[in-house]
Amino acid sequence: AQKVTQAQTEISVVEKEDVTLDCVYETRDTTYYLFWYKQPPSGELVFLIRRNSFDEQNEISGRYSWNFQKSTSSFNFTITASQVVDSAVYFCALSEANNAGNMLTFGGGTRLMVKP
Amino acid sequence: DADVTQTPRNRITKTGKRIMLECSQTKGHDRMYWYRQDPGLGLRLIYYSFDVKDINKGEISDGYSVSRQAQAKFSLSLESAIPNQTALYFCATSDSPPRTGGAGETQYFGPGTRLLVL
Repeated sequence: AQKVTQAQTEISVVEKEDVTLDCVYETRDTTYYLFWYKQPPSGELVFLIRRNSFDEQNEISGRYSWNFQKSTSSFNFTITASQVVDSAVYFCALSEANNAGNMLTFGGGTRLMVKP
Repeated sequence: DADVTQTPRNRITKTGKRIMLECSQTKGHDRMYWYRQDPGLGLRLIYYSFDVKDINKGEISDGYSVSRQAQAKFSLSLESAIPNQTALYFCATSDSPPRTGGAGETQYFGPGTRLLVL
């Protein structure tokens, strides 16, 4: 069974601080996919990144970066120089290749509050 | 215009009423999904459909039904609403994987429908 844990339920930082959101997953499959989504206060879910289990390269997109480590089953997300607009709930999700329904299993989410 | 739309965006109903939530997409995707979001639980899959003739139960399908009217439309019904169905409901779409049996395609979500059952 697949499982995603986001141990940090809420994080509060001051603008311009760096912040890392943790994501730990469990799966028996050797092929799987990991995702991050952002849910701003308006409520919609915005796709941020998709990573497959064979690609352990870290990824950087502007102020966002992701650190995928299979050895620790983690897919952490770092925001550099945080801004107030980064305030949102962030979800990590997992999809196993053998999952017939392409079901995404979500973590409980981390609420990030960036204060000016 | 948004690629995935949901109507209504907000709905208040009473226990025992039948309601329908609608989802439309212009992304041309074959696959569509319904999820519900409860505080602290992330999103959980209710139903999914890989094409017009394909409907499958997800993790929490009891109390719900769906209809795939066309490739672009996927509706979720609550036959007899109850208060613990109060939640935020999301529709999502994804492309089909490039090979049979594949998975992991990115799902794109609609704006959500806030449902309150009194």
